[in-house]
Amino acid sequence: GENVEQHPSTLSVQEGDSAVIKCTYSDSASNYFPWYKQELGKRPQLIIDIRSNVGEKKDQRIAVTLNKTAKHFSLHITETQPEDSAVYFCAAFSGSARQLTFGSGTQLTVLP
Amino acid sequence: DADVTQTPRNRITKTGKRIMLECSQTKGHDRMYWYRQDPGLGLRLIYYSFDVKDINKGEISDGYSVSRQAQAKFSLSLESAIPNQTALYFCATSEKGDYGYTFGSGTRLTVV
Repeated sequence: GENVEQHPSTLSVQEGDSAVIKCTYSDSASNYFPWYKQELGKRPQLIIDIRSNVGEKKDQRIAVTLNKTAKHFSLHITETQPEDSAVYFCAAFSGSARQLTFGSGTQLTVLP
Repeated sequence: DADVTQTPRNRITKTGKRIMLECSQTKGHDRMYWYRQDPGLGLRLIYYSFDVKDINKGEISDGYSVSRQAQAKFSLSLESAIPNQTALYFCATSEKGDYGYTFGSGTRLTVV
């Protein structure tokens, strides 16, 4: 089945700096890669996603890149703000499993 | 997001008791999932259902059972609760195919 590895597990950045979270996946047939943000005590919420026919997608301060050959994808947050502090999960959709496989999460802390 | 509703929001129960967590959705999605979240362990899949008659075990199904009463309702039962089932439980729904999940607000379960 699909295996998704996520790094780092914790990340601290100064307010205004950029943050990058990386994920690798194992199933070359996976074709959909969402990212979720989970604030403390709340539900995970979809913040951005990318499909395998696209290499990069941006939405204001966040962007996701996908390298199908290397089977890795990354979340980039620019000009970080304290409200970006949360746990971020990557995921990959495997057609064989017909479901998302989640990474283990990254605790991002933005220091004022 | 009231589209996916979980009840109860919080529950304290005693070891050995049977407990049911309920999930209902108004999104019209066929697919529903139950996840468990423990600190530092990310989201682990307990059971999933692709329609009323298609129910499957996830990676940590031991000690749990489910019922898909209708397209919109998916319940998770702990037949005989034990303390290591203390966790945050999330229900999620999705459309058929490679799409992101919508999570419910979660149920915080404590087994004493």
